[in-house]
Parts: sequence; structure tokens; C-alpha cells
Amino acid sequence: KQEVTQIPAALSVPEGENLVLNCSFTDSAIYNLQWFRQDPGKGLTSLLLIQSSQREQTSGRLNASLDKSSGRSTLYIAASQPGDSATYLCAAGDRAQGGSEKLVFGKGTKLTVNP
Amino acid sequence: NAGVTQTPKFRILKIGQSMTLQCTQDMNHNYMYWYRQDPGMGLKLIYYSVGAGITDKGEVPNGYNVSRSTTEDFPLRLELAAPSQTSVYFCASSNQGARYQPQHFGDGTRLSIL
Repeated sequence: KQEVTQIPAALSVPEGENLVLNCSFTDSAIYNLQWFRQDPGKGLTSLLLIQSSQREQTSGRLNASLDKSSGRSTLYIAASQPGDSATYLCAAGDRAQGGSEKLVFGKGTKLTVNP
Repeated sequence: NAGVTQTPKFRILKIGQSMTLQCTQDMNHNYMYWYRQDPGMGLKLIYYSVGAGITDKGEVPNGYNVSRSTTEDFPLRLELAAPSQTSVYFCASSNQGARYQPQHFGDGTRLSIL
């Protein structure tokens, strides 16, 4: 059974710092790996989607990488800003499960960027 | 620019009551999803639909029912509310499936069952 883990559960950094959020998954049979942002009281906003054949995706100050062999993905945030404060969740598109719509979510990393 | 709209935003139910959580999207998306998010946990898929008239079970479908009579609407029904169904419920949609495209989420319905 696919399990997705995000460590640490919470992270606090000063403004301007570059940071890395980690996501690990137990089964490499995935079709994609997705990163989402969740603000308090709101739904999820998609940040980046990496197909299993890709190694990384970039959007602005965000860069996500995928290493299926080691079961790991990282989200790199450059020059962090207070507006980046949110909970970041990763989700693995699980090929092994019946049906192709199954995303297995991690519990998230709560990021606080201090001015 | 409405996107995915969920109603109500908050609701308190008594054990055994029933209710319908509403979800509508204005992006003409084929795929729609219902998730639940328990405190400190990741999201779990309840049901999904690949188009009008077609629905399928997700990971945690017990205690819920869905229907999809139009492209825009995907209501979730709780027939006999139980305390274990206290959660935040999110509806999402995408033009193609989760394999190819990210999903657009509503802001959720916070449901407490007492």
C-alpha cells in the first residue's frame, strides 16, 4: 500500500531564505507526483505536477524534483516571502491502485516565513 | 471567476440525520471528485466521476452516496450521519483525470456531527 510521508511537519524560516520541503513515497509505481498549497480555511491550490517520466518542474520561485528510484520528491522555494506561509502537501498518483484517479496525499508541511 | 463552489461552508448535524453537500463547477470539467480531510491528515478520496452519469468509488466510500446528472454538479449525500464523518469535505474538478492534470479545489465544507 502506497504511503506518502512529509518531514518536517512544520518549518519556520526567516524571510529571504531558500528552503526545501521533502516528500517520500514507498512505492515507485506512480504516474505522477503533485505539490499543492493549502491556506488556512481554504482548499488546495495546485503548484506543480511532475509526470513519472520527468525529473523536475519549475514555476517561478518554485522547483520540484522527482527521484522515483529513491522514492523522493523535493519542493525548493527560492527567496521565501511571508506570503509563502501555508501548508504544502504532496500527493502521489498511485499506479498500483485500482482506477487511475487515486492520489495518495501526505499530511503536509506547515511553513511559516517570518518577516 | 467562480471555479468550484461548495455549499454550505459549515454545518452541524445530529447523529442519524442526513444531508447533501453541494458542489458545482463552471469550468466545463469532465472529472469531479469528493475528498475528506481529517485534522492533521492528508486528503482521502470518497467518490469521483468522469462525466455525467458515471461515478465510481474512491478509498473511503462507505456512508456516502453521489450522483452526477449534469456536468456542473456533483452532490455528496450522507444518509445516516455518524461522528466518524466529522471532517472537512473538499470537492475538486479537472478537465482530464488525475494522471494528466491537476485538480481545482473548492474551499470546503466543515461538517461536525454531534
